[in-house]
Amino acid sequence: GENVEQHPSTLSVQEGDSAVIKCTYSDSASNYFPWYKQELGKRPQLIIDIRSNVGEKKDQRIAVTLNKTAKHFSLHITETQPEDSAVYFCAAENSGGSNYKLTFGKGTLLTVNP
Amino acid sequence: EAGVVQSPRYKIIEKKQPVAFWCNPISGHNTLYWYRQNLGQGPELLIRYENEEAVDDSQLPKDRFSAERLKGVDSTLKIQPAELGDSAVYLCASSFGPNSPLHFGNGTRLTVT
Repeated sequence: GENVEQHPSTLSVQEGDSAVIKCTYSDSASNYFPWYKQELGKRPQLIIDIRSNVGEKKDQRIAVTLNKTAKHFSLHITETQPEDSAVYFCAAENSGGSNYKLTFGKGTLLTVNP
Repeated sequence: EAGVVQSPRYKIIEKKQPVAFWCNPISGHNTLYWYRQNLGQGPELLIRYENEEAVDDSQLPKDRFSAERLKGVDSTLKIQPAELGDSAVYLCASSFGPNSPLHFGNGTRLTVT
């Protein structure tokens, strides 16, 4: 099955700096890559996703890049703010056929220091 | 729109006792998922439904866990008997299907003593 590795497990940055979280996946057939943000004690919420037919997607301060050849994708947050502090999860899905499954990474705890 | 609703929010039980969780997905979402999230880990899929059919239950410990989704809407997840290692947050999610975002409920935090 799919295996998703996420790094780093913890990341501390100063407010205004950029943060980058990287993930690798094992199943070359995976074609959907969402990122979820989970604040302490709350539900995971989608912040951005990318499909395999594009290499980059941006939404205001958040961007995701995908390298299908190398099987890795990254989340980039610019101009970080204290409210960006949370656990971020990457995930990968092989959506071909009926037997699809979304596999999550172990998460990155991002702390933005004021 | 109303989000995914789960209950209860918290549950504390003694080991060997039964427990049940309930989930109401977003209207129109045919796909429903139950995930388990241990502290410091990402969510792990227990079971996925397409309408009433459980299409992926390969990670569900069937000796003690059971689930149902009657009429393809609400779902319940049951554990009987509970073990200490079952302590975790149980998340329900729904979506339109593959390649679409999951919408999670607030989860049920289960503590087995």
